[in-house]
Amino acid sequence: DTAVSQTPKYLVTQMGNDKSIKCEQNLGHDTMYWYKQDSKKFLKIMFSYNNKELIINETVPNRFSPKSPDKAHLNLHINSLELGDSAVYFCASSQQATNYGYTFGSGTRLTVV
Amino acid sequence: QKEVEQDPGPLSVPEGAIVSLNCTYSNSAFQYFMWYRQYSRKGPELLMYTYSSGNKEDGRFTAQVDKSSKYISLFIRDSQPSDSATYLCAMRYNQGGKLIFGQGTELSVKP
Repeated sequence: DTAVSQTPKYLVTQMGNDKSIKCEQNLGHDTMYWYKQDSKKFLKIMFSYNNKELIINETVPNRFSPKSPDKAHLNLHINSLELGDSAVYFCASSQQATNYGYTFGSGTRLTVV
Repeated sequence: QKEVEQDPGPLSVPEGAIVSLNCTYSNSAFQYFMWYRQYSRKGPELLMYTYSSGNKEDGRFTAQVDKSSKYISLFIRDSQPSDSATYLCAMRYNQGGKLIFGQGTELSVKP
């Protein structure tokens, strides 16, 4: 019973295409995140939603658009994919008012060719 | 300069060695400090959590925070091949704030 699940696990696509990644958590957490991990393993936050409201929006190209239909789901849509978008994208969740860290999904490995 | 600096390694040790992993940071406002472990092709998982300065021990793992030096450490005693992974430090300013990660140190424990 996966706590934070992402689909798809792997995504290979051509430059210029549009793609979406989906994330769902069954932990009852109120906050969800998208992180990007580059080839050097550096994890950088992109977006965060608390109870469907966008609360963190880092300097990310506006080709990236997150959507949270409810507090258990956070999707990421990417338009006009570029080679530099190739990375592993992680979804995570947490309960904001607690001291604990995040629970991460297993990642979506995006390769743009 | 990154807010959180971590030597990416790789670090290779023999089984049974004591491992020391470290991070430095620049902003004294950080209050919450964590260590995550990430196995190959998996998501990071929370290993240790510490608030403010001090030590915390959990089995073979000890986390230390020295806020005066802006330096945090993770020690692994009696290291095992199953400890081979990338270890990422992470920190945040307040309870609801975003987690800021170090680059991660790749550790390999040889049998």
